[in-house]
Amino acid sequence: TQLLEQSPQFLSIQEGENLTVYCNSSSVFSSLQWYRQEPGEGPVLLVTVVTGGEVKKLKRLTFQFGDARKDSSLHITAAQPGDTGLYLCAWSGGSNYKLTFGKGTLLTVNP
Amino acid sequence: DAGVIQSPRHEVTEMGQEVTLRCKPISGHNSLFWYRQTMMRGLELLIYFNNNVPIDDSGMPEDRFSAKMPNASFSTLKIQPSEPRDSAVYFCASSLLVHTEAFFGQGTRLTVV
Repeated sequence: TQLLEQSPQFLSIQEGENLTVYCNSSSVFSSLQWYRQEPGEGPVLLVTVVTGGEVKKLKRLTFQFGDARKDSSLHITAAQPGDTGLYLCAWSGGSNYKLTFGKGTLLTVNP
Repeated sequence: DAGVIQSPRHEVTEMGQEVTLRCKPISGHNSLFWYRQTMMRGLELLIYFNNNVPIDDSGMPEDRFSAKMPNASFSTLKIQPSEPRDSAVYFCASSLLVHTEAFFGQGTRLTVV
């Protein structure tokens, strides 16, 4: 059973468009991390959200943590080709605090 | 700091051969993770060490896989014997503490033919 469900799995858009990707679960999270992975590289942390209802902004990226801390979203405004990559959400928790990832959303921004 | 260092970057081996992947975590980090990434299954956690001790190895596929962390600055993931279905990108990551940012290496692309 996948603890973290990400949608959509694939997204291809034109430069300048807005988009939202989602990370959902039936479990409550103490915190959630968002990573971006570019081709040939390892994932790199973008942000950690901790408080239910929290909104964090990173330039054109807006991250939101659901009030119930079961879901999160990433909204990108005016997407650019440099935003292309695999967006992963991750959770560190459970009895062993292992860091578990969703399958990700593969975003392609076409010029 | 140079970040998490993995070697080799690419490995091509024949079925049945032993493969050893290496990782040097960031100095001072207490947690080390080994992941395997494929298109079908995404990024799967294989094993997780804290202070050089294996905490959770429930993701290790089978007995052909083993991992060690003899000291705080070095870890290995060994596959013996290797099979074509082991072909994937293997990542090592380290973090200062649990719940904090994980820093990933560039990965080892393994191809078993």
